[in-house]
Amino acid sequence: QPVLTQSSSASASLGSSVKLTCTLSSEHSSYIIAWHQQQPGRAPRYLMNLEGSGDYNKRSGVPDRFSGSSSGADRYLTISNLQSEDEADYYCETWDSNTHVFGTGTKVTVL
Amino acid sequence: EVQLVESGGGLVQPGGSLRLSCAASGFTFSNYWLDWVRQAPGKGLEWVANIKQDGVEEYYVDSVKGRFTISRDNAKNSLYLQMNNLRAEDTGVYYCARSSAEYSSSSEFSDYWGQGTLVTVSS
Repeated sequence: QPVLTQSSSASASLGSSVKLTCTLSSEHSSYIIAWHQQQPGRAPRYLMNLEGSGDYNKRSGVPDRFSGSSSGADRYLTISNLQSEDEADYYCETWDSNTHVFGTGTKVTVL
Repeated sequence: EVQLVESGGGLVQPGGSLRLSCAASGFTFSNYWLDWVRQAPGKGLEWVANIKQDGVEEYYVDSVKGRFTISRDNAKNSLYLQMNNLRAEDTGVYYCARSSAEYSSSSEFSDYWGQGTLVTVSS
């Protein structure tokens, strides 16, 4: 079963950028992941899926400020021009043999 | 517009049972895998179970195996989660989610989520 590791928190100033990391367990380093955003008090919302090649597909309506990239077992979500509404928890998700796993989530604070 | 609306949550005593429902609209329900994902208070997301388009295949996280049963009624565009022998650690918000790939023989990431229903297990 894959394991996804995320740092617990990140912060950046309004208008700056922040890069979140989701690390796959080594034997699952090629897996596709998905990024989800959960704003305070709301349900999660799917943002994008991201391949090991760095190719990503965003959900319709997700601002251009959100982008994905990859390096080895690491999957990144970069938020540029950070806005107040980006303050949220961000979770990565992957799957194997029809079972799923989520990372522990990263709380993003906009300063 | 894809919509998933959960219901059936509430307060139940340890050892009790509860049945959650998820009403779907805005897409061809029978073409997609569906999932239940939960979130304990102040904690992260935990995948609970999923079910294939025709209901033939079901998968569960180890902690609920033998206690929870996922099912679906494609004629009613509805997903269910029967929860038996509930424990305090089952407390949380339960979300219904749609797997992204239409017609796929395997489950993929969740691309739409419901608003959730709160389950509280306490005496």
